[in-house]
Amino acid sequence: DGGITQSPKYLFRKEGQNVTLSCEQNLNHDAMYWYRQDPGQGLRLIYYSQIVNDFQKGDIAEGYSVSREKKESFPLTVTSAQKNPTAFYLCATATRVNTEAFFGQGTRLTVV
Amino acid sequence: KQEVTQIPAALSVPEGENLVLNCSFTDSAIYNLQWFRQDPGKGLTSLLLIQSSQREQTSGRLNASLDKSSGRSTLYIAASQPGDSATYLCAVSNAGGTSYGKLTFGQGTILTVHP
Repeated sequence: DGGITQSPKYLFRKEGQNVTLSCEQNLNHDAMYWYRQDPGQGLRLIYYSQIVNDFQKGDIAEGYSVSREKKESFPLTVTSAQKNPTAFYLCATATRVNTEAFFGQGTRLTVV
Repeated sequence: KQEVTQIPAALSVPEGENLVLNCSFTDSAIYNLQWFRQDPGKGLTSLLLIQSSQREQTSGRLNASLDKSSGRSTLYIAASQPGDSATYLCAVSNAGGTSYGKLTFGQGTILTVHP
């Protein structure tokens, strides 16, 4: 089964906790991205990585951290410093060949 | 800074109509433009990718055009069906360096096709 797998589908976080969202891909794509989607605001880029062991901040990186130890995996940690983490989080990949982006099914994070 | 605008924000049409969704962007130095579909609570499905050197792409009942100089793209849906009901998102990738694949999104058009 090829594609991008995000887990879990739903995640609940208590105030002050760090949580990690998983993104795994078997498309052999070089680049991976994390976006956040809020109602009425479209998608905004959090972090991205175009090669293993390297990543760059996007437009709204504060309160988030990532790692890219393997080509297949790009986990996102939402830290307690993120003031408003409730949102829908989407992971994407892209290939250098034609730069088309592909998305996972998302993780809905709710602060309780 | 690139900004992407989609018009209309919402559209409701009867089944069978042909329709056009609009996307405009402020910086014409794009690498490519993608149209996506999003069903409620789901991820994004890529519909069409247009490279900056191309004028249009077609897939089945969908046709997307690109006018880079004027900063506009349109998505044409022929013979709409209730199953086409979804949010349609336009996104651009800016040219240069290693920024391929970094996308700037519009806020989407919510399409409802009623029987």
